[in-house]
Amino acid sequence: QVQLVESGGGVVQPGRSLRLSCAASGFTFSFYGMNWVRQAPGKGLEWVAVIWSDGGKKYYADSVKGRFTISRDNSKNTVYLQMDGLRVEDTAVYYCARWGISAAVVSLDYWGQGTLVTVST
Amino acid sequence: EIVMTQSPATLSVSPGERATLSCRASQSVSSNLAWYQQKSGQAPRLLIYDASTRATGIPARFSGSGSGTEFTLTISSLQSEDFAVYYCQQYDNWPPLTFGGGTKVEIK
Repeated sequence: QVQLVESGGGVVQPGRSLRLSCAASGFTFSFYGMNWVRQAPGKGLEWVAVIWSDGGKKYYADSVKGRFTISRDNSKNTVYLQMDGLRVEDTAVYYCARWGISAAVVSLDYWGQGTLVTVST
Repeated sequence: EIVMTQSPATLSVSPGERATLSCRASQSVSSNLAWYQQKSGQAPRLLIYDASTRATGIPARFSGSGSGTEFTLTISSLQSEDFAVYYCQQYDNWPPLTFGGGTKVEIK
C-alpha cells in the first residue's frame, strides 16, 4: 500500500535551517510528482511546493520562494524540503503529498502523517 | 492567484441528515476542483477530483457538482465518521495550488 512518512521536524530558532524528508513506498516513486503542503496550528491548508517526477520542474508558493528548496532522490524514494531563513510564521505541520490520478489532475491522492515544525525563540 | 472561498465556516448537522457544502472560486476553474476531508489530528484525504469524480474507496454518499466558479459537496446521509473539516482545492490555474478555508461539519 502507498505510504508516505515525513521526518525532520522540530523546534528551531528564527533564521535557522531545517531539512524535512518524506520517504515513499508502495508505488513507483519516480512516476509521480510530489508536493509539500503545510498547516499552521488551527488553520487551513497552504500549498508550499511541487516537484515533477523527474525533478525537472519545481514551483513554490510566494511565501517561501527564495527560502525553501524542494528536491528528490528517486534512487532513495525520498522527497526533501530544505527550509532556510525560517520565520515564526513558518510554524506548521508539514505534509508531503503525492500528485496522483494523472498529469492533468493535480489533486493530492496520498498524504503523509505530517511533521511539526516550530519556529520560536 | 485564484482565491477559493468556502461556506459556511461551520455546518451543524444531525446524523442521517444531508449536508451541503459550498466552494466558490474567484475566477473560473472549469471542473479542475478537488475536495478533501480532514479529521482531527489526521492528514487530509482526497474525496473528489474533477469536481464530481469520487476517489478510490470513497463511499457513494459523497458527491460533488458544479463547474466554473460554483461548486458543491453533498454528503447524502451523514455518518458519525463524516464529522470533519472539508476543503476544496483548485488546480486549473497554478502554481499556486489554492485551497479554500474549510468547512467544519459538526454534530447538531
